[in-house]
Amino acid sequence: AQKITQTQPGMFVQEKEAVTLDCTYDTSDQSYGLFWYKQPSSGEMIFLIYQGSYDEQNATEGRYSLNFQKARKSANLVISASQLGDSAMYFCAMREGPGGGYQKVTFGTGTKLQVIP
Amino acid sequence: DTAVSQTPKYLVTQMGNDKSIKCEQNLGHDTMYWYKQDSKKFLKIMFSYNNKELIINETVPNRFSPKSPDKAHLNLHINSLELGDSAVYFCASSPGGGTGGETQYFGPGTRLLVL
Repeated sequence: AQKITQTQPGMFVQEKEAVTLDCTYDTSDQSYGLFWYKQPSSGEMIFLIYQGSYDEQNATEGRYSLNFQKARKSANLVISASQLGDSAMYFCAMREGPGGGYQKVTFGTGTKLQVIP
Repeated sequence: DTAVSQTPKYLVTQMGNDKSIKCEQNLGHDTMYWYKQDSKKFLKIMFSYNNKELIINETVPNRFSPKSPDKAHLNLHINSLELGDSAVYFCASSPGGGTGGETQYFGPGTRLLVL
């Protein structure tokens, strides 16, 4: 079974609109962490946002917010006011276990977002 | 101020050769990783080191051998390169120790092409 599922291989969004990128996860651990990374066409992996399993508030970082629904095991990324520079691949990832030096992070297959002017 | 750096950025080589990729981080992190990203953009962990000690070793052919001379460096040596080794290899690091964000910060990647 996939630990991280991103069901949208590609998405389009109009500039200045908000967009939600879906991510569902599967784990039996109580302690885990969820991440989103952005990979532009230049290839680097850029950390966007983190949500811990015990965090009660949804994480926010500027225009990025993580819509964490624990019971549904979903961790969707919301990008508000899309910009042309947001066009990129977006990866959802999960760290299982309590962290420390033993963490293993599993990545989803990614969603390619294209922002249309 | 590069946080996680990798050399070389591009590597083109013939099948059967041996090559190394170097990684250094100046973030003071305890844990370092190697990932492989294939042509379909799928990112998979290969190895993880914590304070120079091997922690995670996924099912990677033993032609791949990581080496960590100190906690700021994690190198990847690949013997007898095969066509299927062509990919982008990312090094990453994270603080390690304790709970919390444990965010992994990635290097720029090394694009390996085996001919």
